[in-house]
Amino acid sequence: KAGVTQTPRYLIKTRGQQVTLSCSPISGHRSVSWYQQTPGQGLQFLFEYFSETQRNKGNFPGRFSGRQFSNSRSEMNVSTLELGDSALYLCASSMSLGQGPRDIQYFGAGTRLSVL
Amino acid sequence: QKEVEQNSGPLSVPEGAIASLNCTYSDRGSQSFFWYRQYSGKSPELIMSIYSNGDKEDGRFTAQLNKASQYVSLLIRDSQPSDSATYLCAVKGTSYGKLTFGQGTILTVHP
Repeated sequence: KAGVTQTPRYLIKTRGQQVTLSCSPISGHRSVSWYQQTPGQGLQFLFEYFSETQRNKGNFPGRFSGRQFSNSRSEMNVSTLELGDSALYLCASSMSLGQGPRDIQYFGAGTRLSVL
Repeated sequence: QKEVEQNSGPLSVPEGAIASLNCTYSDRGSQSFFWYRQYSGKSPELIMSIYSNGDKEDGRFTAQLNKASQYVSLLIRDSQPSDSATYLCAVKGTSYGKLTFGQGTILTVHP
């Protein structure tokens, strides 16, 4: 069974540009969560999608957005990039079939974004 | 106070020893607790999950949970150099998707 796939693995952008990251969850998983990892702040929750609906959002500015498609694949977009957006962006998928808090998240390899 | 705090590292243990990693959390409504391992340059990998008070063992790993003390720990027995990594404690409440992570503890197992 294939794991969580994130593309691209690496990105270099300049300030002011926008970027779109993609995540394909494990087959059968319906929930996709996104996280930002930086040396200073650690792993921080961005948002979670289920059945094409955003069910939860972390404390990030509106420049960070996402969506989920009917096949559960998800994208996140960051507009007007800032230097501080340089980070590893991780996607995690889970089954979310009524297991509530016991729902286990499996992480993709991440997309490393560098903003120059 | 941070929502999830882990014991400050780095932690260095000799091969074959027991490594003890600790984590405290502030939200009493937290329901699920996870330990992830992250090798340098890699993504987090689930090691253990625990939901009820007490111990849960899986091979060389034992997770311990004490909800009254808001404390969760991970013991690694017979530590191996391949266990050298950053260990992340993650806590989940009732909100959808959101895992709250500690800052991580860097473990080094030296031969």
